[in-house]
Amino acid sequence: AQKITQTQPGMFVQEKEAVTLDCTYDTSDPSYGLFWYKQPSSGEMIFLIYQGSYDQQNATEGRYSLNFQKARKSANLVISASQLGDSAMYFCAMREGGYGQNFVFGPGTRLSVLP
Amino acid sequence: DSGVTQTPKHLITATGQRVTLRCSPRSGDLSVYWYQQSLDQGLQFLIQYYNGEERAKGNILERFSAQQFPDLHSELNLSSLELGDSALYFCASSVGGGNGDTQYFGPGTRLTVL
Repeated sequence: AQKITQTQPGMFVQEKEAVTLDCTYDTSDPSYGLFWYKQPSSGEMIFLIYQGSYDQQNATEGRYSLNFQKARKSANLVISASQLGDSAMYFCAMREGGYGQNFVFGPGTRLSVLP
Repeated sequence: DSGVTQTPKHLITATGQRVTLRCSPRSGDLSVYWYQQSLDQGLQFLIQYYNGEERAKGNILERFSAQQFPDLHSELNLSSLELGDSALYFCASSVGGGNGDTQYFGPGTRLTVL
């Protein structure tokens, strides 16, 4: 069964510093996708970044990068140069296989950026 | 504004009732996803449609059903509502149905079952 673990219920980071949000996953399927989403206090959901299991390079999207360590089954989100607007809940998710598969979400990490 | 619209924004109803949540994807997007977010169960994927056909099914209860119409809007029908169905229901859309396609989320429909 798929499983996503986010061990940090809450994190604090100083503005302009980098922060890493941890995510580990469990799957026996060699083909899977990993996703990160952001949910600010206003409630909307924002898709941040995607990493495929066969991708050779770590995914990056602006200030977001995914530190993908396949052997360790970890997919940590790195946010560089934190901004106050980065304060939010962050969810890691996985989808096994290709089409037709379920998404499984982690419990989330609440990030607070301090001025 | 993601370009994905959901109606209604809030819905309050009683146990045993049936409701319909509506989602209009971004122009040009063929895929629609439905998610449920509750305090008890966190975020859950319910179902995905691609160009009118069911593409993937997640933790969707039998009391729930969905469809995507020819104009690509989607509806999520929830019937025989229970207190535990109270949640925020998100719709998202993407251009294609692949994992790598960016999903754009609507603002959500907050359902309260009394």
